[in-house]
Amino acid sequence: QKEVEQNSGPLSVPEGAIASLNCTYSDRGSQSFFWYRQYSGKSPELIMSIYSNGDKEDGRFTAQLNKASQYVSLLIRDSQPSDSATYLCAVVDNTGRRALTFGSGTRLQVQP
Amino acid sequence: GAVVSQHPSRVICKSGTSVKIECRSLDFQATTMFWYRQFPKKSLMLMATSNEGSKATYEQGVEKDKFLINHASLTLSTLTVTSAHPEDSSFYICSARDIAGLTDTQYFGPGTRLTVL
Repeated sequence: QKEVEQNSGPLSVPEGAIASLNCTYSDRGSQSFFWYRQYSGKSPELIMSIYSNGDKEDGRFTAQLNKASQYVSLLIRDSQPSDSATYLCAVVDNTGRRALTFGSGTRLQVQP
Repeated sequence: GAVVSQHPSRVICKSGTSVKIECRSLDFQATTMFWYRQFPKKSLMLMATSNEGSKATYEQGVEKDKFLINHASLTLSTLTVTSAHPEDSSFYICSARDIAGLTDTQYFGPGTRLTVL
């Protein structure tokens, strides 16, 4: 059973702080990793993708990947109340269909 | 770019009826679309992989005769929930992968909230 694990939270940070979201995955052969943001009642929207070890930055967001440790993280700098949402970590499987396996999500609350 | 639409956005039906949900990629072609289901406060669970021109691949535990999938073109996949029951009430979300894309990025539709009375 391929798994993606996340702490369900809620993770509460003050406005302007750095929010750190973590994810581990079980399939060592995984190559593609994604972070999605989901507001309540809405579908997921893509925040970041990462494929290589190291950091990838996009605006206030930084994704970090460590394949040896099977660990992916997302840092949100200068957190805003509008960042309050559930963040889903997703990993592409190694089967031909290349489907996404999602973690259960971490709920982030940014306190004004 | 990379817009995926779903229709309807919300549907309420009586138990025993069938409901069809459409998923369209509006500005790209998709040989593969995915259907997910999400229960309240739970994560997305893959139901099936929809392949243009061939049969869908269903996940373990998903009844293929109850959740009929048709991928008639490179921009349209449909999910039909047959003989719906209250336990089928859920948020159904489709996603599509760009045929021309070099990555595994999937773009999600806005979802369809199904309530079966």
